Amino acid sequence: QQQVKQSPQSLIVQKGGISIINCAYENTAFDYFPWYQQFPGKGPALLIAIRPDVSEKKEGRFTISFNKSAKQFSLHIMDSQPGDSATYFCAATLYSGAGSYQLTFGKGTKLSVIP
Amino acid sequence: DTGVSQDPRHKITKRGQNVTFRCDPISEHNRLYWYRQTLGQGPEFLTYFQNEAQLEKSRLLSDRFSAERPKGSFSTLEIQRTEQGDSAMYLCASTNRENEQFFGPGTRLTVL
Repeated sequence: QQQVKQSPQSLIVQKGGISIINCAYENTAFDYFPWYQQFPGKGPALLIAIRPDVSEKKEGRFTISFNKSAKQFSLHIMDSQPGDSATYFCAATLYSGAGSYQLTFGKGTKLSVIP
Repeated sequence: DTGVSQDPRHKITKRGQNVTFRCDPISEHNRLYWYRQTLGQGPEFLTYFQNEAQLEKSRLLSDRFSAERPKGSFSTLEIQRTEQGDSAMYLCASTNRENEQFFGPGTRLTVL
């Protein structure tokens, strides 16, 4: 059972364009939604995150839009650069009751920004 | 803040051998997670420590896997009698007080 569905699987954007990656979740108990950026051979790096009491969060060129009623959230990368080429993962977390806030990840989107 | 470190970065082993990986979390973080990531997939939760206590384990963590965190500092993940299906990237993450998880570079395991 995939609790976080991510699309598209891959994305090609021209330099300077807007990259948009979408995620949908099923469990309404999720209460924290981070995005991670991963380069080949590296661990995921926390990019930006949002909680469900906020509809939008912006940090530099990165914006998360959150729609609680639709159970969807998205990452927008403005003015995309070749250095943004990486795999992006959305994730969601909730308190497990046993003490952990384990992350449930989407399957990832491979972004390629072409000059 | 030196970040989460993992050792080794790469491990190649033959099927049936035992392997052990180490994770050093960010020094002030008392919560630590292990995840496994296979090619083309997102990381999947394996286990969770708060200080030295292992409080949660995933169904993915078969009895061939064992994890420890003595003294609540570094953690080790051991896989006994490795199988080809164990080939994956093993990731460690530690969390700050806001429950933000910071990942290490991972250990890439290849079982021949």
